[in-house]
Amino acid sequence: EVQLLESGGGLVQPGGSLRLSCAASGFTFVSYGMSWVRQAPGKGLEWVSAITGGGGSTYYADSVKGRFTISRDNSKNTLYLQMNSLRAEDTAIYYCAKDLGGWPFYFGSWGQGTLVTVSS
Amino acid sequence: QSALTQPASVSGSPGQSITIPCTGTSSDVGSYNYVSWYQQHPGKAPKLMIYDVSNRPSGVSNRFSGSKSGNTASLTISGLQAEDEADYYCSSYTSTSTWVFGGGTKLTVL
Repeated sequence: EVQLLESGGGLVQPGGSLRLSCAASGFTFVSYGMSWVRQAPGKGLEWVSAITGGGGSTYYADSVKGRFTISRDNSKNTLYLQMNSLRAEDTAIYYCAKDLGGWPFYFGSWGQGTLVTVSS
Repeated sequence: QSALTQPASVSGSPGQSITIPCTGTSSDVGSYNYVSWYQQHPGKAPKLMIYDVSNRPSGVSNRFSGSKSGNTASLTISGLQAEDEADYYCSSYTSTSTWVFGGGTKLTVL
């Protein structure tokens, strides 16, 4: 069974940094692309970033490009999102999602999310 | 990366069919058969319901179907059930190698 467990969320001041993690199990992690999708309180879904299985290609939404960095450690079956220069509008639940196994990625399995609050 | 356009809400009675449209542009929905749909119940993570416009993942009821015409994709739910009441989001791959979601549609089963 696929399991995705996000961690690392919390309260951070504007301009601060945070690193989210997503521990994966139940599948061959290196074989699948992974993504981060966020949802502001009471709002819709917003795609944030994606990374291929081997980590060689990364993709970002314009809203986070230059501030967020996606990465993965396939030896630890873990996905990361380094978030710098955080803004109030980055406040959201951040979900990690596993691809179905092809291209382009689909968000086939989701974690339960971790809440990031950017506020002074 | 403008969001895809969905109606804020739709409703239907048990047993009826409803359709949720999702309108994009020639840079996303209109250019690729890479549209997907997600169901989200309150307080829960989203669930993939449809991918590649009309394919259902294993375990998803065949009451859910998808289609596309031009820049507009659609999700149809037939034989509405109380458990279908949820938020639904469409998504598309785009010409800039990014992904975009719709604003979401709240389905109410009357």
